[in-house]
Amino acid sequence: DGGITQSPKYLFRKEGQNVTLSCEQNLNHDAMYWYRQDPGQGLRLIYYSQIVNDFQKGDIAEGYSVSREKKESFPLTVTSAQKNPTAFYLCASSPTVVGNNEQFFGPGTRLTVL
Amino acid sequence: AQTVTQSQPEMSVQEAETVTLSCTYDTSENNYYLFWYKQPPSRQMILVIRQEAYKQQNATENRFSVNFQKAAKSFSLKISDSQLGDTAMYFCAFANSNSGYALNFGKGTSLLVTP
Repeated sequence: DGGITQSPKYLFRKEGQNVTLSCEQNLNHDAMYWYRQDPGQGLRLIYYSQIVNDFQKGDIAEGYSVSREKKESFPLTVTSAQKNPTAFYLCASSPTVVGNNEQFFGPGTRLTVL
Repeated sequence: AQTVTQSQPEMSVQEAETVTLSCTYDTSENNYYLFWYKQPPSRQMILVIRQEAYKQQNATENRFSVNFQKAAKSFSLKISDSQLGDTAMYFCAFANSNSGYALNFGKGTSLLVTP
């Protein structure tokens, strides 16, 4: 069963803690993306990766970090430097970086800071 | 920077009727791609339709079609024969090579289909 998985579905964090959101795909896609969704807003790009061991900052990268050590995995770490991390986080992947490729999305992780 | 504007925060339509969702965008690029994504209450993002800027012919997918006006930078979505399952947030999105074809989204239109 091919697809994108994100875990956990819900995550609670105390202020000052780093947390890592998991994103795994078994679609053999080259490109992977992280987006953040806030109420009343569209999705905003945090980071993206077009190839293993390479990634680029998106529009709102401050306070976040990523790694791409394996093609199928693109974890996102929300650091204590992120001032307002409570949001819904979506991971996506696409076969290549050519623009017309559909991006396939995971089910999302809801992060709440206590 | 590219911006995507959806001017209708909320819309409603009766079942079996037709509705059009508006989207405008701003870019100085000539080559780009446009998308409509649907996000139902489950929050799963689903691609509805896509359009290449170099194609003059408007894209269609079953009950969904677009009106792409490149000069006006407009990309509206028409849903025909609306169904209750069409109730969702609809996001217009733009992509080009400047950011690895990552999607640049509008703020969305919440569509409610009523019986």
